[in-house]
Amino acid sequence: GENVEQHPSTLSVQEGDSAVIKCTYSDSASNYFPWYKQELGKGPQLIIDIRSNVGEKKDQRIAVTLNKTAKHFSLHITETQPEDSAVYFCAAISTGGGNKLTFGTGTQLKVEL
Amino acid sequence: DAGVTQSPTHLIKTRGQQVTLRCSPKSGHDTVSWYQQALGQGPQFIFQYYEEEERQRGNFPDRFSGHQFPNYSSELNVNALLLGDSALYLCASSPGRTNEKLFFGSGTQLSVL
Repeated sequence: GENVEQHPSTLSVQEGDSAVIKCTYSDSASNYFPWYKQELGKGPQLIIDIRSNVGEKKDQRIAVTLNKTAKHFSLHITETQPEDSAVYFCAAISTGGGNKLTFGTGTQLKVEL
Repeated sequence: DAGVTQSPTHLIKTRGQQVTLRCSPKSGHDTVSWYQQALGQGPQFIFQYYEEEERQRGNFPDRFSGHQFPNYSSELNVNALLLGDSALYLCASSPGRTNEKLFFGSGTQLSVL
């Protein structure tokens, strides 16, 4: 089945700096890549997603890039704010894996004042 | 719109007992999926229900079972609880039997002693 690896596990940045979280996937049949943000005591919330026929997608301060050849995708957050502090998960859906959603292990992002 | 609601929020059980968790999907959603999230890990797919039938299943034993009702709400049942079943159980809903753009509830924290 699909395997998604995520790095780093923790990331600390100063307010206003950029943050980058990287993920790799194993199944070349994967075609949908969402990113979820999970705040303490809450369930994951979808913040952005990208399909395999698109290389980059942007939504205000958040962007995701996809490199299908290398089988990796990244989340970029610019002008970070304290409210961006949370755990971020990448995930992938593989058509070869029955369209099941596989999550990475998460990145704890801390934005310091 | 209340979003995805789960009950109870916390639960304590002992080994060998059985537990039932409940989920009401977001208005307009007919598909419910369940995930197990161990501490410090990403959510792991348990199963998906659509039209009152289990449509997909992850790598979980038969001790994990579910049900979906005509109003699209769902239950997760776990029999013969093990210490390793302690985790946050998340319910997610979506429209039309997809694993894309999932809406998650805040989860039920299960502790098995």
